[in-house]
Amino acid sequence: KAGVTQTPRYLIKTRGQQVTLSCSPISGHRSVSWYQQTPGQGLQFLFEYFSETQRNKGNFPGRFSGRQFSNSRSEMNVSTLELGDSALYLCASSLALGQGGAVGYTFGSGTRLTVV
Amino acid sequence: GENVEQHPSTLSVQEGDSAVIKCTYSDSASNYFPWYKQELGKRPQLIIDIRSNVGEKKDQRIAVTLNKTAKHFSLHITETQPEDSAVYFCAAEDSGTYKYIFGTGTRLKVLA
Repeated sequence: KAGVTQTPRYLIKTRGQQVTLSCSPISGHRSVSWYQQTPGQGLQFLFEYFSETQRNKGNFPGRFSGRQFSNSRSEMNVSTLELGDSALYLCASSLALGQGGAVGYTFGSGTRLTVV
Repeated sequence: GENVEQHPSTLSVQEGDSAVIKCTYSDSASNYFPWYKQELGKRPQLIIDIRSNVGEKKDQRIAVTLNKTAKHFSLHITETQPEDSAVYFCAAEDSGTYKYIFGTGTRLKVLA
């Protein structure tokens, strides 16, 4: 079956612009989590969506937002881009988050965003 | 909320030697701890996980140990091979939200 698909794979934007990234989960998965990966900082949790509702949020400014559609596909948006937003953005899908480990937690290949 | 620290940040070993990566966590109620391997330019992939009701789990050359009292867990790779070279991330499940909190990663280099 198809894995987690993230588009686009690469993106170059200018400071001040906004960007939208997409994540299509594995069929049947209803939870989508987003992470920002930068060298030295590891994977920083952005937010998690389940059934079109944001259930968890990390410690990122309001410029970072997201949503989830009825087909479980998720988008994240970053407005007023800053140089420091340059990173690999990863999403992970699972059937649901739950105690003892999320079933089928699988990462996509990520979108590499470069802000110039 | 949960906080995870991971050490070392870089690790070089000779092929055939063992490698150990250590993580500590803060949420005493956490009960799920996965480890991910990320090769250059690829997605993180789950290599092994452990739940709080066991102290050790092995899968061929890879093992994970958990000390709930001390709130730390470790990844052990024996007989390392060049293909083990990658960045390894530990994570802990936050007991309140169930989201995964990751460590900052360990870059393992296996020298041939």
